[in-house]
Amino acid sequence: DVKVTQSSRYLVKRTGEKVFLECVQDMDHENMFWYRQDPGLGLRLIYFSYDVKMKEKGDIPEGYSVSREKKERFSLILESASTNQTSMYLCASSFLQGWSGNTIYFGEGSWLTVV
Amino acid sequence: AQKITQTQPGMFVQEKEAVTLDCTYDTSDPSYGLFWYKQPSSGEMIFLIYQGSYDQQNATEGRYSLNFQKARKSANLVISASQLGDSAMYFCAMREPGGNAGNMLTFGGGTRLMVKP
Repeated sequence: DVKVTQSSRYLVKRTGEKVFLECVQDMDHENMFWYRQDPGLGLRLIYFSYDVKMKEKGDIPEGYSVSREKKERFSLILESASTNQTSMYLCASSFLQGWSGNTIYFGEGSWLTVV
Repeated sequence: AQKITQTQPGMFVQEKEAVTLDCTYDTSDPSYGLFWYKQPSSGEMIFLIYQGSYDQQNATEGRYSLNFQKARKSANLVISASQLGDSAMYFCAMREPGGNAGNMLTFGGGTRLMVKP
């Protein structure tokens, strides 16, 4: 059974804290993505990675960084959390090329509240 | 400019009736794919249906069908015989090739569907 696992479902952090959101996939996918979901805005891409140590900015990278030291793991880092980063974060993974249909897989989401 | 537009933030439908969720998209690439996902309150994204830009026929998966009108750049989801369990957020998404990731998914803002008993 294919799986994308996000380490934390619910987190509450204080303003200014450094926050790590971890994502692990067991499908040997090249691509991994971090999305942020907010009401009315849908899912917006923060960062993606297409290979180990490779990363590219998505649509809303400000205030975030990422790390991909191993193929199966993609971490999202909030260097100094702010209240406007309160949101639901979704990780996803896929093969690099030629995918269609049900070939992008999502984690269950991490609900982050910054107080 | 928005690449995927879902104009219905929320919709009600009576149980057992059909409902159409709207989605329009914008791309200049001839090769693309369109997806619909369901997201229940638990947060997981459930894949429903896929339509490739070169597919001649509209995609169908059980009670779900995609009304693909390429010239109008619309990809509406039709759910037949609505059930209470269909109450959820629904997202339209588009895959465009290119770039280092090979494929990227862009999402619309979502439509919250509520099925009334």
